[in-house]
Amino acid sequence: QKEVEQDPGPLSVPEGAIVSLNCTYSNSAFQYFMWYRQYSRKGPELLMYTYSSGNKEDGRFTAQVDKSSKYISLFIRDSQPSDSATYLCATDSWGKLQFGAGTQVVVTP
Amino acid sequence: DTAVSQTPKYLVTQMGNDKSIKCEQNLGHDTMYWYKQDSKKFLKIMFSYNNKELIINETVPNRFSPKSPDKAHLNLHINSLELGDSAVYFCASSQERSGGAAETQYFGPGTRLLVL
Repeated sequence: QKEVEQDPGPLSVPEGAIVSLNCTYSNSAFQYFMWYRQYSRKGPELLMYTYSSGNKEDGRFTAQVDKSSKYISLFIRDSQPSDSATYLCATDSWGKLQFGAGTQVVVTP
Repeated sequence: DTAVSQTPKYLVTQMGNDKSIKCEQNLGHDTMYWYKQDSKKFLKIMFSYNNKELIINETVPNRFSPKSPDKAHLNLHINSLELGDSAVYFCASSQERSGGAAETQYFGPGTRLLVL
């Protein structure tokens, strides 16, 4: 069993819709949770990170962590075609990032 | 201006050959990493160096040997290449963790390796 599970998609939504992405993780010791965005043929870039449980908002992006259910979420409001990318959730265990499989998101105009 | 750079971007080679991938970062970070991303986009850490010292060494065949000549460079040498080594290899760097805070890892553009 992988440490972080993520549905690979693809997830196709119309422009303006809310994109909802989820991951589950297995190790309750994980404290840091990240979302990376990877455009086609590029390296991943950090989008957001949260510490422990709670919400974090940055513009159109909201990250949520529920440690009781070991569930990580990312919401993208008012999605744009430029949001089309693969989104990878990750947990950080002392510098060792454990990634989910990544969900490919396609936002159609 | 490139923060983390890798060479080459593409590498096509025959089975059994030996090849190297180079990585350089100009962010002044202390820690560098190698990741492998397979055809299903799954990204997995291979190695991590902190100030030229190996600190993470995942279950990777010993045909893979990282080398860090200084803290700005981390190279990956692969001996006796196999078909299953075909993947995208990413280098990343981060500042040394302090006070338990999470660190941002900055990724390079990747090296696409195809073994024929």
